Amino acid sequence: DAKTTQPTSMDCAEGRAANLPCNHSTISGNEYVYWYRQIHSQGPQYIIHGLKNNETNEMASLIITEDRKSSTLILPHATLRDTAVYYCIVRVESNTGKLIFGQGTTLQVKP
Amino acid sequence: NAGVMQNPRHLVRRRGQEARLRCSPMKGHSHVYWYRQLPEEGLKFMVYLQKENIIDESGMPKERFSAEFPKEGPSILRIQQVVRGDSAAYFCASSLRDRDTQYFGPGTRLTVL
Repeated sequence: DAKTTQPTSMDCAEGRAANLPCNHSTISGNEYVYWYRQIHSQGPQYIIHGLKNNETNEMASLIITEDRKSSTLILPHATLRDTAVYYCIVRVESNTGKLIFGQGTTLQVKP
Repeated sequence: NAGVMQNPRHLVRRRGQEARLRCSPMKGHSHVYWYRQLPEEGLKFMVYLQKENIIDESGMPKERFSAEFPKEGPSILRIQQVVRGDSAAYFCASSLRDRDTQYFGPGTRLTVL
């Protein structure tokens, strides 16, 4: 399975952009990068996903490097409600689509 | 469009009893995944089902656990003869197609006394 490496924790000031990095150096060509977050033990919330190109939606932007070995999730204007554990997941196509969650990054947004 | 629904949200059982957790996928979704999150741990995949079929049960404990997704009605995760170590949050996710984006429900928190 393609593994991901994320920092254990990060802080961000409210109103500033939060940039969450993820390394996935063993990713294969047809494997997608997914981002989810879990707010205080609620169900994981889908944020965004991508294959090669950068992606943007109403929640966040996903920047994937050209070699696809790393990516960055960007929350453009973090709020206190964005405090959560953020999971970067490489979905392995041969794994029947199941998601392998790591420990994620605990993002603390501070006033 | 309603999201993934799980019930009950909280379930308390005594050791040796049975626990039945229900998951109603998003409308139109026919793929269901179950995950478990033990206290202070990450989410772990348990089982993947399509209507009337178990596709991948590689994460299911070998004994006492079973899952089904009948043609009609919700998916059921059944735990027989519960033990304290089964206390956890159980999350269900659904997707429209195979290997599509999964959307999670709010979870069922099982406490075994």
